[in-house]
Amino acid sequence: QSVLTQPPSASGTPGQRVTISCSGSSSNIESNYVYWYQQVPGTAPKLLIYRNNQRPSGVPDRFSGSKSGTSASLAISGLRSEDEADYYCASWDDSLHGFYVFGTGSRVTVL
Amino acid sequence: QLQVQESGPGLVKPSETLSLTCTVSGGSLSRRSYYWGWIRQPPGKGLEWIGSISYTGSTYYNPSLKIRVTIAVDESKNQVSLKLNSVTAADTAVYYCAELTDPRGAFDMWGQGTMVTVSS
Repeated sequence: QSVLTQPPSASGTPGQRVTISCSGSSSNIESNYVYWYQQVPGTAPKLLIYRNNQRPSGVPDRFSGSKSGTSASLAISGLRSEDEADYYCASWDDSLHGFYVFGTGSRVTVL
Repeated sequence: QLQVQESGPGLVKPSETLSLTCTVSGGSLSRRSYYWGWIRQPPGKGLEWIGSISYTGSTYYNPSLKIRVTIAVDESKNQVSLKLNSVTAADTAVYYCAELTDPRGAFDMWGQGTMVTVSS
């Protein structure tokens, strides 16, 4: 079971702004970096955001990440049809001997 | 350009051992000084971290899978292996190999994944 909770779905029309939340705890999000991955169905995940708010080369600036306390968010502005995908947050958890944890995932639909 | 490719049997019988290989091309495992991880995704479900390993062999495992998992590096073959024993139908999933810069870091390069079905 994941310890990072995301809403199952989010949607918007083209051009709109969509936000996805990721709720964790003091042992993961609050004390470690947050990462976001995009997965188009049938393909491998792709790194979208690293170190809370940094974009890898090639990721459009329409994608932005933020973190506050035990929660994090991914925002997609200027929504486009190709943004329709599953989005996962992730972080390291310091409990037990430490482990990497993914969020429950959110499906973004472009209406 | 670094490339990552998973390979292994697509069908494994219950109670047997699942064995997969991740082959890295376009660069040496050791020269990059990075880590390598295995992640799986059951059909229609989310991502689950299995474990990670450094090129020197330091390992980190998911506590829920630790007693059944072994991840190893073979520098001579530029490969990372995954062994999961005593498999059940719940281990049916797409298995991904991915690179990360440190054990707590981002998986910044992923293989395409390989589907493994556990069934008799």
